[in-house]
Amino acid sequence: QSALTQPASVSGSPGQSITISCTGTASDVGTYKLVSWYQHHPGKVPKLMIYEDDKRPSGVSFRFSGSKSGNTASLTISGLQAEDEADYYCCSYGGRFNWLFGGGTKLTVL
Amino acid sequence: QLQESGPGLVKPSQTLSLTCTVSGSSIHNGNYYWTWIRHHPGGGLEWIGYIYYDGNTYFNPSLKSRLTMSIDTSENQFSLNLIFVTAADTAVYYCARCPIPGYFDYWGQGAPVTVSS
Repeated sequence: QSALTQPASVSGSPGQSITISCTGTASDVGTYKLVSWYQHHPGKVPKLMIYEDDKRPSGVSFRFSGSKSGNTASLTISGLQAEDEADYYCCSYGGRFNWLFGGGTKLTVL
Repeated sequence: QLQESGPGLVKPSQTLSLTCTVSGSSIHNGNYYWTWIRHHPGGGLEWIGYIYYDGNTYFNPSLKSRLTMSIDTSENQFSLNLIFVTAADTAVYYCARCPIPGYFDYWGQGAPVTVSS
């Protein structure tokens, strides 16, 4: 059982927007501004998409955005494209030099 | 860039040893932690632990009793040793760079490790 809870799967049609949630606790997601999101195409290297809750690294499309409310963080992808189909993982600092990942969400672009 | 190296097959109860060679970034840079993360087959990611340039280590509590890490600043490498492995340690092992305060911006290609007799 993963420390952070994500939906197992989400889907959307090209051009639509989807949101992936990541639920933790007041001891991790709710306390630290250190949630990050990773895109993982099977067989490829995980790619950082969002860091420190809502910052986007250079080179990542503006279609990807992060937010947080209470103990739940969210990744929103707007204008869905076929290339967005991948697994997405959230990660949060859990205190005491411990890092927690979610179980991953499989995004299907219909 | 980061590149993992090590055996792809380890027998149960033995030691899993991996090395990550870093290029393009000095491992002696105090702005980063040098990290190991693994991906279980069909499962999610798991943070294993990380090491600072001064040798200080921080481990996942669930692995702490079996884990050691070391760093070689002269070779720009860091390493992981996991003792008494079982089938549950079968995974793809990634090394990654973690800028302080914390996220993982550059990852290695991943080293698949199977624990089997």
